Amino acid sequence: EVQLVESGGGLVQPGRSLKLSCAASGFTFSNYYMAWVRQAPKKGLEWVATISTSGSRTYYPDSVKGRFTISRDNAKSSLYLQMNSLKSEDTATYYCASLKLGAGFDYWGQGVMVTVSS
Amino acid sequence: DVVMTQTPVSLSVSLGGQVSISCRSSQSLVHNNGNTYLSWYLQKPGQSPQLLIYKVSNRFSGISDRFSGSGSGTDFTLKISRVEPDDLGVYYCGQGTQYPLTFGSGTKLEIK
Repeated sequence: EVQLVESGGGLVQPGRSLKLSCAASGFTFSNYYMAWVRQAPKKGLEWVATISTSGSRTYYPDSVKGRFTISRDNAKSSLYLQMNSLKSEDTATYYCASLKLGAGFDYWGQGVMVTVSS
Repeated sequence: DVVMTQTPVSLSVSLGGQVSISCRSSQSLVHNNGNTYLSWYLQKPGQSPQLLIYKVSNRFSGISDRFSGSGSGTDFTLKISRVEPDDLGVYYCGQGTQYPLTFGSGTKLEIK
């Protein structure tokens, strides 16, 4: 059974940093692109970052480019999101998701809440 | 960026009925390789989104054949037949043809 379990969320002040983690199991992690998708309270889905299987290629929307960094450790089957210079508009539930090329986000974690507030 | 527009914003259906959700993109979703990367997701209340349909019309593993996707270019439709109580939630379309990846704003399905 595929499992994606996020951790590391919480309350953080504007301008500070936070690092999210996602532990994967039940599939060959190193064969999959991975991604983070977020959902602000009562809002829709917003793609945040994607990383290739080896980690050599990363992709971000303009809203987080230069502030967020996605990374992975294939030996640990783990995905990370380093979030710097956080803003109130980054407040959201962050989902870790596997990205099957050609099929979209096929598996999702349960999500972790990040609240940016003073 | 590709803007995804979903209609309606919400709809109500009787159990056993059929509904259609529309998703239109601001640009063609046909990739250079000839594939069209349009997916549909369902987010049930209090849950994470789940993949229903990929590449316009392909059902994901374990998804009922009551769900069907169609369309091409910029115009896509998700149809749900014989609606069941477990189908309620918010449906999103999403495109994977070009970065940044984008989603529609969602369609809330309620059961009458």
